[in-house]
Amino acid sequence: AQTVTQSQPEMSVQEAETVTLSCTYDTSESDYYLFWYKQPPSRQMILVIRQEAYKQQNATENRFSVNFQKAAKSFSLKISDSQLGDAAMYFCAYSPGTASKLTFGTGTRLQVTL
Amino acid sequence: GAGVSQSPSNKVTEKGKDVELRCDPISGHTALYWYRQSLGQGLEFLIYFQGNSAPDKSGLPSDRFSAERTGGSVSTLTIQRTQQEDSAVYLCASSLNGAPSYEQYFGPGTRLTVT
Repeated sequence: AQTVTQSQPEMSVQEAETVTLSCTYDTSESDYYLFWYKQPPSRQMILVIRQEAYKQQNATENRFSVNFQKAAKSFSLKISDSQLGDAAMYFCAYSPGTASKLTFGTGTRLQVTL
Repeated sequence: GAGVSQSPSNKVTEKGKDVELRCDPISGHTALYWYRQSLGQGLEFLIYFQGNSAPDKSGLPSDRFSAERTGGSVSTLTIQRTQQEDSAVYLCASSLNGAPSYEQYFGPGTRLTVT
């Protein structure tokens, strides 16, 4: 069974600074997808960034980028120029290439301070 | 356009009662998912519908849980004889089709409290 581990229950970053959230996963599949979702207090999950395992290039979306280390099964999220609106729970998630159901990590609560 | 909507947003029920939670996916999305978010278990997959195919029920925790999707659109998650451990936020998501490369769009969830 696939597992996703987020070892940082809480992180804090100052506005305009950079923060990295960690995620590791375990799978025997060769084809899979990895995701970072943001969940603000409104509860609505929002996709931040997605990485296909077969792509070696790290995904980037504006201030958000990932460091995908396939051999180490590591998938960290870097948030640059942090903004107050980035404060939320962040979930790392995994999906096998043959099915769409997501397996989530336990989440990291990100605080952004002035 | 309209996103995924869920109703009710909050539901309080007594132990032993049945509850129905509703999900309206984005129009045209053929895939629909239910997840549960609880303090004890985190976020977990419950069930997945794709078009007219048989649903993937592999995540349903017990036979008290069931779901249906009528006309390929609206879905209802039913919990019979609710227990206190069923207290959680139930999230629904939809995607254009069931391929994992397609983004899942989530609704705001229904918070279920069993007293």
